[in-house]
Amino acid sequence: GQQVMQIPQYQHVQEGEDFTTYCNSSTTLSNIQWYKQRPGGHPVFLIQLVKSGEVKKQKRLTFQFGEAKKNSSLHITATQTTDVGTYFCAVRMTTDSWGKLQFGAGTQVVVTP
Amino acid sequence: KAGVTQTPRYLIKTRGQQVTLSCSPISGHRSVSWYQQTPGQGLQFLFEYFSETQRNKGNFPGRFSGRQFSNSRSEMNVSTLELGDSALYLCASSPVGGEAKNIQYFGAGTRLSVL
Repeated sequence: GQQVMQIPQYQHVQEGEDFTTYCNSSTTLSNIQWYKQRPGGHPVFLIQLVKSGEVKKQKRLTFQFGEAKKNSSLHITATQTTDVGTYFCAVRMTTDSWGKLQFGAGTQVVVTP
Repeated sequence: KAGVTQTPRYLIKTRGQQVTLSCSPISGHRSVSWYQQTPGQGLQFLFEYFSETQRNKGNFPGRFSGRQFSNSRSEMNVSTLELGDSALYLCASSPVGGEAKNIQYFGAGTRLSVL
């Protein structure tokens, strides 16, 4: 069945550096969402991408949906300690309104001051 | 608007017992989903309800069940608890219609410990 693979699983970043996390699917996606979960917290919605090649920015965060709609990336520039947490991508597994929701395994980000 | 409310926040049970968790969605949201989160397995989808009907179910044993009421509030029940059921159980609600239906608004979760 459809699988969503998220890489890397773990990212250790020096404050001020950039990093990117990726979400890949073997099948075409209708849309994808990104969430952030702070340590001890719950996932919080960041963004949804729908269109092929779509790029959205939120301050230092840049989200991109691949041209083939099979992959997505989250790029953070000038990482800050507030960026610590786990970033998840999520997809609905079919274009059907009630396809199952699947989350990637997440990228755990640790920031060193 | 108030966010998604889950009760209780913490729960300790022993093996063999059963437990019921409650979730009140954001006002106006009619879709409620449940997830199990553990360090080793990440976020695992349990089930999704809309208008009191289960729309989807994840790959969990029949000991895990849920329901949704006419006011969109939802409960999930786990019977005959096992040690492996220790986890953070998250409820999420979403609006209905268009692309927004895919966006999950999570509650703070119920942390269940099975001893």
